[in-house]
Amino acid sequence: DAEITQSPRHKITETGRQVTLACHQTWNHNNMFWYRQDLGHGLRLIHYSYGVHDTNKGEVSDGYSVSRSNTEDLPLTLESAASSQTSVYFCASSENSRGSEQFFGPGTRLTVL
Amino acid sequence: RKEVEQDPGPFNVPEGATVAFNCTYSNSASQSFFWYRQDCRKEPKLLMSVYSSGNEDGRFTAQLNRASQYISLLIRDSKLSDSATYLCVVLDDKIIFGKGTRLHILP
Repeated sequence: DAEITQSPRHKITETGRQVTLACHQTWNHNNMFWYRQDLGHGLRLIHYSYGVHDTNKGEVSDGYSVSRSNTEDLPLTLESAASSQTSVYFCASSENSRGSEQFFGPGTRLTVL
Repeated sequence: RKEVEQDPGPFNVPEGATVAFNCTYSNSASQSFFWYRQDCRKEPKLLMSVYSSGNEDGRFTAQLNRASQYISLLIRDSKLSDSATYLCVVLDDKIIFGKGTRLHILP
């Protein structure tokens, strides 16, 4: 069965370190998204991609970067982790059409000390 | 006015009751609307899309009111398993998630 996975599921890191969160989908979807979810804010879009080599900034992109070298993967990198980036991160993918259902990964809980 | 607003709840509802909640949006040009469900510490999952004519899926009914710029979700004969957070999602030139409404079904 097609799926979307994230790794690691939990990570603790220190301020200033570079961190990469992995997202892998086997739906063969062109669209992929990264969100963070915090109490009081709901889901906020960090970066998104509509295809290989395409990346776009979302609402809260500062301090984050992504790259899309193939259809299946959209890794999210925190260049220099900050305590404000402690959050739950969700990756999602969807088919070509903008109004199509998004399938979410199980999430990564990141703590920056 | 915030782009997408939901009553955060929690709504505490006895099992078997009917519950409804709304979501308002600010952009009149918004094109697509959805309800997602999120269980505690889990990922969001699509519950249903919201069509202009309204749509029903079993005990769930979604409606869109473009004039007043809100969508609604009605749950009939509520079950304990309906306890979750319900996220309103609006799509215009970007996708916007509401903060969610928490629903607790009481036995």
